[in-house]
This record gives sequence, structure tokens and C-alpha cells, in this order.
Amino acid sequence: ELKVEQNPLFLSMQEGKNYTIYCNYSTTSDRLYWYRQDPGKSLESLFVLLSNGAVKQEGRLMASLDTKARLSTLHITAAVHDLSATYFCAVDAVIQGAQKLVFGQGTRLTINP
Amino acid sequence: DGGITQSPKYLFRKEGQNVTLSCEQNLNHDAMYWYRQDPGQGLRLIYYSQIVNDFQKGDIAEGYSVSREKKESFPLTVTSAQKNPTAFYLCASSKTSGGLYEQYFGPGTRLTVT
Repeated sequence: ELKVEQNPLFLSMQEGKNYTIYCNYSTTSDRLYWYRQDPGKSLESLFVLLSNGAVKQEGRLMASLDTKARLSTLHITAAVHDLSATYFCAVDAVIQGAQKLVFGQGTRLTINP
Repeated sequence: DGGITQSPKYLFRKEGQNVTLSCEQNLNHDAMYWYRQDPGQGLRLIYYSQIVNDFQKGDIAEGYSVSREKKESFPLTVTSAQKNPTAFYLCASSKTSGGLYEQYFGPGTRLTVT
């Protein structure tokens, strides 16, 4: 069974600080996605990582993928309040003959002024 | 504009009633998915369909039913057999070829059953 584990699950930090969210997964996959969810809203795609060593950056967020370690990271630089949200990673794998995404539990990020 | 629509945004029902949630996409995606999200939790897969007239159970299919008569549409029925139906329901779609299977999500339907 494919497992996707994020840590931390809750993160409270101050504006201006840096931090990293980790996403570990248990099976071979070279495709991983990061999504953002605001309270009461749907999921918004942030990053698509398609190969070992992939790195994508958008503003204060940077995501990377190490398929050998089965690890993806989402790094936040100089956090601002607008980045407060829940962040999900999802791993793309073939399960029972069908392509599926398996989601992590989500990391609820709160950035305080 | 291409995208996924879900309706209604909010739905209130009495216990014992079946209710159908709508999901439509104009992205020309073959695959469609239904997820359930409970407060403070992640997403759990209810049903998915990779092609018209075919669908498969996900991890929590009991008490739900779906149909896929058209490529664009994948409605979800929450039956009275679902013991705890109050939740946020998300529909998604994706390609099934070309190597990129990113899922695109609709805005969601919040169902409250009392």
C-alpha cells in the first residue's frame, strides 16, 4: 500500500522566517504534486515535479523532488501572512491498474505577523 | 475558459434522503474522480472513472454511487446508506495519457445532513 506522509502536520511560524515541509512516500514514483488549500476552498495546484532532482520555484515557495530518497520538500522563504493555508503533497502511482494520486495528510501552515 | 464546475456549492438535506452532486468538466479529460474531505483532514477517494461507462470504487465507496454516461459529467449520489454524509466533496479530472496526470479540482460542494 502506498503511503504518503507529511511533516509537520501543523506549523505556526512568524513572518520573515524560513521553514520546510517534508513529504515522504513509500513506493517508486517520479511524479509528485503540491497543492494549496485555503479554508473552505478547493485545492489549487502549486507545483508539478516530474523527475528526480526537479526543482520549481514560485515567489517565496520552492519545491524539490528526490525520487531516490522518496522525498519532496516545500521550502518557504521569508514567510508572509498570505501564505497561511493547508499544503498537500500527492504522489502519482499506478494502483490496481489505474493511475491515481495518493495524498498526504496535509500541513496546516499559520503565519503570524 | 476550461475548467471543472460543481453544483450546488452548499447542500442541506434531511437524514434518509438521497442527494446527487453534480460535476462537469470541459477540459476534455478522460478521467474523473470524487473525493471526500472531513474538517481538518486530507482527501479520501470515493470513486473514479477513467473512461465513459466505466468506474471503479475508491477507498470509501460504501453509501455512494456514480455514473459516467458522458465524458464531461460524473455525478455522485450520496445515498441514505452513507452513515455520516456531512462533508466537503471535491470532484477532479485528469488526462490518462501523455505522462502528466495532474488532477484539476472543482470548487467543491459542502453537504450538510441533519
